[in-house]
Amino acid sequence: AQTVTQSQPEMSVQEAETVTLSCTYDTSESDYYLFWYKQPPSRQMILVIRQEAYKQQNATENRFSVNFQKAAKSFSLKISDSQLGDAAMYFCAYSIPSISSGSARQLTFGSGTQLTVLP
Amino acid sequence: DAGVTQSPTHLIKTRGQQVTLRCSPKSGHDTVSWYQQALGQGPQFIFQYYEEEERQRGNFPDRFSGHQFPNYSSELNVNALLLGDSALYLCASSLNRGTAIYFGEGSWLTVV
Repeated sequence: AQTVTQSQPEMSVQEAETVTLSCTYDTSESDYYLFWYKQPPSRQMILVIRQEAYKQQNATENRFSVNFQKAAKSFSLKISDSQLGDAAMYFCAYSIPSISSGSARQLTFGSGTQLTVLP
Repeated sequence: DAGVTQSPTHLIKTRGQQVTLRCSPKSGHDTVSWYQQALGQGPQFIFQYYEEEERQRGNFPDRFSGHQFPNYSSELNVNALLLGDSALYLCASSLNRGTAIYFGEGSWLTVV
């Protein structure tokens, strides 16, 4: 069974600084998808960034980027120029593609990292 | 562009009762999944619907059932509620051939 591990229950960062959240996963699959989701106090799960395992280039979305190390099964999230609005619970998630369609199937989530942004 | 919408936002039920939660997917999406998130934990996959059929199911008892309608909207039904069913229930939608999965704001269920 696939597992996702987030070893940092809590992290804090000074506003405008950079922070990296860690995620490791365990899988025997060669093709899969990885995601980072943000869950603010409103509890809505917001997609931050996603990565296809077959792509060697790390995904980036504005101030968010990932460091995907496939051999090490590591998928960390870097937040640059941290803003107060970045404060939230961050979840790393994994999915294998559907054999028939290639779409993402069920998400397996880690336990989350609570990020605090200090003014 | 309407996102994923869920109803009701909050509800309180008594142990043993039944509950129905509703979800409308993001515009253009045809696949709906349901997740249960207990306090302080990551979401757990319940099941996924596509073309009105349950395509994949997580490790949840048969008390949890669902339905998808021709307009792609979906319902989650939970029978014989237990105190442990108290959680945030999240609906997620995606395209059958897509990799981006978007969530609604969830339905808070409290069982007393």
